[in-house]
Amino acid sequence: ETGVTQTPRHLVMGMTNKKSLKCEQHLGHNAMYWYKQSAKKPLELMFVYNFKEQTENNSVPSRFSPECPNSSHLFLHLHTLQPEDSALYLCASSQARAAGSYGEQFFGPGTRLTVL
Amino acid sequence: AQTVTQSQPEMSVQEAETVTLSCTYDTSESDYYLFWYKQPPSRQMILVIRQEAYKQQNATENRFSVNFQKAAKSFSLKISDSQLGDAAMYFCAYRTAGYGGSQGNLIFGKGTKLSVKP
Repeated sequence: ETGVTQTPRHLVMGMTNKKSLKCEQHLGHNAMYWYKQSAKKPLELMFVYNFKEQTENNSVPSRFSPECPNSSHLFLHLHTLQPEDSALYLCASSQARAAGSYGEQFFGPGTRLTVL
Repeated sequence: AQTVTQSQPEMSVQEAETVTLSCTYDTSESDYYLFWYKQPPSRQMILVIRQEAYKQQNATENRFSVNFQKAAKSFSLKISDSQLGDAAMYFCAYRTAGYGGSQGNLIFGKGTKLSVKP
């Protein structure tokens, strides 16, 4: 596997279910991100992890719970979601805080989430 | 706070022709990075081209080039010899060059949907 991978690619869940999204990066990066992409809306940054520490939480509801056990893996735990949470969830990674680095983010293919 | 504006929600180009996508941004910083990302219908977001604000020379990657006007805070993307595979959403993004908790974060525009007509 190369780049940034995400599983599952598609997920359908009920409002009472608990599920987790997984992201893995094989690029040796030290920062990872979760984004939400809804139809006709700009990308919404949800969470940021730098060196496994959460550095940003953009007022995300507590029904979304991130976990970053190491610099290569990022999870998004989901519970009691609402239909309006249906969206494409994108994971990204970058080499942050590196002198002279462009720090561009590399994205995974996303998980298409549908909440019934 | 920095903002990124893409004023063209949709654009269309004939195959083999040239198209320019607009992007403007607002910042008080002097050094920063700018990016164009492409998101085809398959949804994988990929980096197209990047530019550092301190570099006056416009970046070029094969058929993709930018027109970076720092004073005007403009960063347009030109696609030459358009191909059917260029059809996608294009996002302009900004990243500060400073250090701090949000140093790695990208600020995205709302995107421009590009259609390529055969």
